[in-house]
Amino acid sequence: EAGVAQSPRYKIIEKRQSVAFWCNPISGHATLYWYQQILGQGPKLLIQFQNNGVVDDSQLPKDRFSAERLKGVDSTLKIQPAKLEDSAVYLCASSLGAGFTEAFFGQGTRLTVV
Amino acid sequence: AQSVTQPDIHITVSEGASLELRCNYSYGATPYLFWYVQSPGQGLQLLLKYFSGDTLVQGIKGFEAEFKRSQSSFNLRKPSVHWSDAAEYFCAVKAGGGADGLTFGKGTHLIIQP
Repeated sequence: EAGVAQSPRYKIIEKRQSVAFWCNPISGHATLYWYQQILGQGPKLLIQFQNNGVVDDSQLPKDRFSAERLKGVDSTLKIQPAKLEDSAVYLCASSLGAGFTEAFFGQGTRLTVV
Repeated sequence: AQSVTQPDIHITVSEGASLELRCNYSYGATPYLFWYVQSPGQGLQLLLKYFSGDTLVQGIKGFEAEFKRSQSSFNLRKPSVHWSDAAEYFCAVKAGGGADGLTFGKGTHLIIQP
C-alpha cells in the first residue's frame, strides 16, 4: 500500500515570496491533516480536512496560510507571503476517518525561508 | 485544551540497557494517547497507541507503554535498546470526535552509546 506522498521534499525561498506544498493521502482516507514542525519542537496541527470540508483550522495563520482539498483527495498548502519564522518541516497525514483511527504521516517538506 | 509534556529533551542510554521515556498529558476527559518515532529525514511512525482497556499496551519494535490515569502519564519503555533505536520520540494526545488532530510534546532525543 502506498503511503502519504508529499512534494517537494525541500524548498528554499526568500521572505515575502509565495510557496505551495502538495499532499496525496493514502487511497480511501477521508481525513487529511497538515502539521508544521519547527526545528526542535513537536508537530503542530495547522488544519484538518474531512473529505473536502475543513474540520479544524483554529491554528492556521489565515493572513498568510491557506489550504484546500479539492475533490476530497489531494491537498495543497500555500504560504503567501512567507516570513523567516515559517522555516519548518510541513507534514501531511491522513487517516480513514476522524475519531480513533491511526494517522499516517508523509516524509514532509522542509521549507527554508531566507 | 489538551497538552503534552516530555520532560527529557535528551536521553543517553547504552546499547542493551533498558529505556524509559516520560510523558505527561493534560486533558479533561479520557485521553487517546500515542507514541511516534521520527528518524532523521523521515516522517513520523506510530509505535503504539492507547484508546481504552488494558493500561499496558504493546507496540512495534519491542516497545511498550503504560497508561496511569492517577499520574496523567503514558511512559514508553523498552527492555533492551539497539543502536537503531536512536531517534526522536514524540508523545501525543488527541480528543475523540471530529476535530481530532494530535497535540504533540516537544520530543525526546534518544542517543545510544555503544
